[in-house]
Amino acid sequence: NAGVTQTPKFRILKIGQSMTLQCTQDMNHNYMYWYRQDPGMGLKLIYYSVGAGITDKGEVPNGYNVSRSTTEDFPLRLELAAPSQTSVYFCASSSHARDNEQFFGPGTRLTVL
Amino acid sequence: QKEVEQNSGPLSVPEGAIASLNCTYSDRVSQSFFWYRQYSGKSPELIMSIYSNGDKEDGRFTAQLNKASQYVSLLIRDSQPSDSATYLCAVIRGSNYKLTFGKGTLLTVNP
Repeated sequence: NAGVTQTPKFRILKIGQSMTLQCTQDMNHNYMYWYRQDPGMGLKLIYYSVGAGITDKGEVPNGYNVSRSTTEDFPLRLELAAPSQTSVYFCASSSHARDNEQFFGPGTRLTVL
Repeated sequence: QKEVEQNSGPLSVPEGAIASLNCTYSDRVSQSFFWYRQYSGKSPELIMSIYSNGDKEDGRFTAQLNKASQYVSLLIRDSQPSDSATYLCAVIRGSNYKLTFGKGTLLTVNP
């Protein structure tokens, strides 16, 4: 049981490039989330999903897109990378809404130059 | 007013002391409250959750919730150097699924 896995661990992008951050969970959780964390800050929700085929915007969705074709996978797409997207990205999953004990992946550290 | 506020610290305590971490939230309909610990360069991990007023104890950790004062705290007894980390307070409002995080408090436990 690997929990939540993310790839890549690190990535450097040039301004204007695109990339997909991968997230997979093997706990059969319905709820999945993408956060970004800037230095000295808490986590900001980018997008979330309550099940396959259902996604919705969080607090900071601009510049990102997501899809959820399976229960296990929740990729995050960055189009036209900008320096403001330099951050650490965490994917998380949970089995319940209210209780919402979220399990986090190890994170992807992204730098846009 | 920010939705979830924490003192950013750093909070420094000697080994063996009690560390007290505080969090206030602005939305009265908040129902679920969580404390996450995050070591430097690592992902957050859940250490406590609390849903009703009062205290909840788990080993050396005690979470306290006061909904009337919109206040949640985390006490760490017999603090150890391994407790040195950033502690994130998180809140769920109403029936949505979204956690709102505070900025975190950096705790340093000195040997």
